[in-house]
Amino acid sequence: QKEVEQDPGPLSVPEGAIVSLNCTYSNSAFQYFMWYRQYSRKGPELLMYTYSSGNKEDGRFTAQVDKSSKYISLFIRDSQPSDSATYLCAMSAGSGNTPLVFGKGTRLSVIA
Amino acid sequence: EAGVAQSPRYKIIEKRQSVAFWCNPISGHATLYWYQQILGQGPKLLIQFQNNGVVDDSQLPKDRFSAERLKGVDSTLKIQPAKLEDSAVYLCASSLAFWAGSYEQYFGPGTRLTVT
Repeated sequence: QKEVEQDPGPLSVPEGAIVSLNCTYSNSAFQYFMWYRQYSRKGPELLMYTYSSGNKEDGRFTAQVDKSSKYISLFIRDSQPSDSATYLCAMSAGSGNTPLVFGKGTRLSVIA
Repeated sequence: EAGVAQSPRYKIIEKRQSVAFWCNPISGHATLYWYQQILGQGPKLLIQFQNNGVVDDSQLPKDRFSAERLKGVDSTLKIQPAKLEDSAVYLCASSLAFWAGSYEQYFGPGTRLTVT
């Protein structure tokens, strides 16, 4: 079993839809959870960062962490064509030099 | 503020040849990372530097890959000799300082390597 599992999609939704992206993980030591967005032929950029369990909201984006289920989610409200990208979840066990472990990424297309 | 710079952006080589990639991190960022991203996969950490010292190189295939960060600024990643399975995007990232609990890693655009 991989440490981080993420459905690669592709996921195609109409403009304005609510998008739900998810990752599961097996390492109970993970405490820091991130979502990165990667446009085609670009490097990943950090969207959301959450420590431990709970929710975090930033504009149209909401990140949820459920450590008891080892499950994290990213919700995108009122999706826009500009949201079309690959979304990567990433997590680490601690601060400092603990490496990030990435999921495979989910490719999202928002159709106008 | 200038972002992470990488060159070249694209490289095509034959197997068994050597290749080098260059990265210039964001000014003032002490921590530098090299990742390998194979098509359809998430980035995998190859090596992490703190200033010019290696923090983690546990996933670097040391028989063929090498990296250095002289003077704690620019870094180069080298592959010698290349194999077909090295075809991937090589991403460089930097962050302010790991001891500051700075989790935001800023990524460069990557170098797309094709080994034929």
